[in-house]
Amino acid sequence: AQRVTQPEKLLSVFKGAPVELKCNYSYSGSPELFWYVQYSRQRLQLLLRHISRESIKGFTADLNKGETSFHLKKPFAQEEDSAMYYCALTGANSKLTFGKGITLSVRP
Amino acid sequence: DTGVSQDPRHKITKRGQNVTFRCDPISEHNRLYWYRQTLGQGPEFLTYFQNEAQLEKSRLLSDRFSAERPKGSFSTLEIQRTEQGDSAMYLCASSFDSRRGYTFGSGTRLTVV
Repeated sequence: AQRVTQPEKLLSVFKGAPVELKCNYSYSGSPELFWYVQYSRQRLQLLLRHISRESIKGFTADLNKGETSFHLKKPFAQEEDSAMYYCALTGANSKLTFGKGITLSVRP
Repeated sequence: DTGVSQDPRHKITKRGQNVTFRCDPISEHNRLYWYRQTLGQGPEFLTYFQNEAQLEKSRLLSDRFSAERPKGSFSTLEIQRTEQGDSAMYLCASSFDSRRGYTFGSGTRLTVV
């Protein structure tokens, strides 16, 4: 079975503060990990995926197989980062399994 | 191609009625997925198609739910004899390679009264 855990429901920070959104997963094989973001009144969209090792909008995420984690980080939060963030995993069956999501609120 | 389209955006129906939703994926995507999302939860997998073949169906899906993708293009999701517990956002997504992630539609919000 594949499972994604996002232990926190809400993270509230001030503009310019660092951000870390936690994600832990459970999967017996080699997973593909993703972060999706949903801005207010917009559709769910892909933010980044671990295989591309990219930085999008200043966000990065490193897959730690030892700790089975894929935490999302940004050194300096911006107000426009306020959104709902979902960690997701896919395995050999190509089915995406999502965590429950976390609301990031960046205050001015 | 403007992405994944879902119709209708909102549906209010009385308990016991049947409803049908449509999803038009990105044209070159061969995989199409249906998810359901309720308040405070992440999207939950319902079913998926590769071309016209339905390859997996969640155990969460009762017999009242059926999905089709007749020509490997658009898909429909039908719910028969709706119940209040069916109220949710129904999301459709498509992909060519799941390792690249999915593209989601805006969803259909169903309210059963």
